[in-house]
Amino acid sequence: DQQVKQNSPSLSVQEGRISILNCDYTNSMFDYFLWYKKYPAEGPTFLISISSIKDKNEDGRFTVFLNKSAKHLSLHIVPSQPGDSAVYFCAASGGNDMRFGAGTRLTVKP
Amino acid sequence: ETGVTQTPRHLVMGMTNKKSLKCEQHLGHNAMYWYKQSAKKPLELMFVYSLEERVENNSVPSRFSPECPNSSHLFLHLHTLQPEDSALYLCASSRTTSGRAEQFFGPGTRLTVL
Repeated sequence: DQQVKQNSPSLSVQEGRISILNCDYTNSMFDYFLWYKKYPAEGPTFLISISSIKDKNEDGRFTVFLNKSAKHLSLHIVPSQPGDSAVYFCAASGGNDMRFGAGTRLTVKP
Repeated sequence: ETGVTQTPRHLVMGMTNKKSLKCEQHLGHNAMYWYKQSAKKPLELMFVYSLEERVENNSVPSRFSPECPNSSHLFLHLHTLQPEDSALYLCASSRTTSGRAEQFFGPGTRLTVL
């Protein structure tokens, strides 16, 4: 039973444009959400997070939006750079429970 | 060394072999985790340790046996594995087991079971 879903396995964008990665969750007990980024041959690294008391959190080129009523969050990267090409994992947590999505592979073309 | 390290990086084993994966964290964290990543599937949490005590075991088959001798080291002992156990095994650590604590991952061990 996948409680966190990333329905797009891959996304390709042009350098300089916006990348939007989406994530849906089913468990209303989740109250904290994280995005991790993974390069080949490396472990995932933390990118940005958001608490359920907020609907937006921004860190430089990265912004995460949370829509609690839709149980949906998205990661916006603008402007996208070739170095952003990686697999992005969405994670949702409630208490000590954390679930990850299957990841979206982002390719940013020069 | 800094961060979270894992050895070996690649492992090929037969179904009758016994092997162990090793993870070490140099971050002073109290919680450590084993995850399994199969192709196109979510990261699956296998085991969680907090201060060397196992706090979670997500219905993992007994052919996987974790060991946490101290807060810096975590092992995953493998025996009589199946080909479907082939995957990337990731170790992670965090300050606490709270879901709000950022997890730091190692590079993973790519396991192939023949």
